[in-house]
Amino acid sequence: GAGVSQSPSNKVTEKGKDVELRCDPISGHTALYWYRQSLGQGLEFLIYFQGNSAPDKSGLPSDRFSAERTGGSVSTLTIQRTQQEDSAVYLCASSLEAGAAYYEQYFGPGTRLTVT
Amino acid sequence: GNSVTQMEGPVTLSEEAFLTINCTYTATGYPSLFWYVQYPGEGLQLLLKATKADDKGSNKGFEATYRKETTSFHLEKGSVQVSDSAVYFCALKNYGGSQGNLIFGKGTKLSVKP
Repeated sequence: GAGVSQSPSNKVTEKGKDVELRCDPISGHTALYWYRQSLGQGLEFLIYFQGNSAPDKSGLPSDRFSAERTGGSVSTLTIQRTQQEDSAVYLCASSLEAGAAYYEQYFGPGTRLTVT
Repeated sequence: GNSVTQMEGPVTLSEEAFLTINCTYTATGYPSLFWYVQYPGEGLQLLLKATKADDKGSNKGFEATYRKETTSFHLEKGSVQVSDSAVYFCALKNYGGSQGNLIFGKGTKLSVKP
């Protein structure tokens, strides 16, 4: 079946602009996760959703970052007033359920964000 | 708190050599452990997992055993191929609470030469 999809695959934006990144999880997966991958920081957790709720927002780097999920499906990650340090690959993953540790997470191809 | 430490790379091996990538973890309770692989230009893929002590995960000739006594989950392969060149990430996920996310090690880049 279809895997996790993300759009756009690449995004170049000017410093100070807002960007929206989209993630479409695997059908039937109730949990959705956002991570970012950068050279200096490795794989960094941002936020996760169980259904439409986000129990843990502790990973969001600043209040410029926000995320929502509607209908238990698609999620958008919004970065306001982008800064150069936001440049990274933003990865989305989904799993059957967040609470059970044994459910593996399936990752999308990522969105490469470049802030100029 | 929860953390994962894996050996730093890069690791360079000749084809058919034996591979070990060390991974140790710190966690409360009984986490599940994973190895993910990222091939050049591609996304993260699950390579194998183990969900309880003494479980052995295996896939594509790779193996890792969940050792609770040494809090380790080392990745091994008996004979690597050029196509195994990739970055390997060890990760853990704990049960319940608000900890829904995977906690990753920093990754180990493997290069296999013909």
